[in-house]
Amino acid sequence: EPEVTQTPSHQVTQMGQEVILRCVPISNHLYFYWYRQILGQKVEFLVSFYNNEISEKSEIFDDQFSVERPDGSNFTLKIRSTKLEDSAMYFCASSGEGRETQYFGPGTRLLVL
Amino acid sequence: AQSVTQPDIHITVSEGASLELRCNYSYGATPYLFWYVQSPGQGLQLLLKYFSGDTLVQGIKGFEAEFKRSQSSFNLRKPSVHWSDAAEYFCAVAGGLTGGGNKLTFGTGTQLKVEL
Repeated sequence: EPEVTQTPSHQVTQMGQEVILRCVPISNHLYFYWYRQILGQKVEFLVSFYNNEISEKSEIFDDQFSVERPDGSNFTLKIRSTKLEDSAMYFCASSGEGRETQYFGPGTRLLVL
Repeated sequence: AQSVTQPDIHITVSEGASLELRCNYSYGATPYLFWYVQSPGQGLQLLLKYFSGDTLVQGIKGFEAEFKRSQSSFNLRKPSVHWSDAAEYFCAVAGGLTGGGNKLTFGTGTQLKVEL
């Protein structure tokens, strides 16, 4: 069964450093999403992406964040200058043409020191 | 704006007992409703979903949920819980299809503990 994959599974970085989180969505899906979950809190929407552009973003997704689909398979989230409060689990999700159901990857746990 | 409330932060049940996890949503029209499960250190696995039609939906692992428009609820049920069901359960709502996506709004989750 096709699944969403994410790399790395864990990343530790120093405050102020740039990080890139990678996702490979399900191959025939067209809509891509990033969510995050700060430890002990609920899952929060960051951004949705379709047809090579952002279709919706939350107030969390400020200028420090960017997304890209650099090729036909990868979907990346970049944080330009990490802050302590960026420490969280980041989930990638994708959905197909019908858009209704999102399938999530296993997540990347980011720790900013 | 859409929102989801899961009133129970923690629930403990005995193995073999029945389970009901509560979820209330707020949305102006008919929402798309989902239940996801998250095991420790794992991602979010879709249990079931409701879009329209029959208000009782069946999911994986023996779970079901009932959409009640009058109560704005979408409670998750299982007749007999197994120890492997111990996990965190998230209810989520999507407010219909926007131009390029369908963002999910999650509840705060219910942590299920199963006593043997």
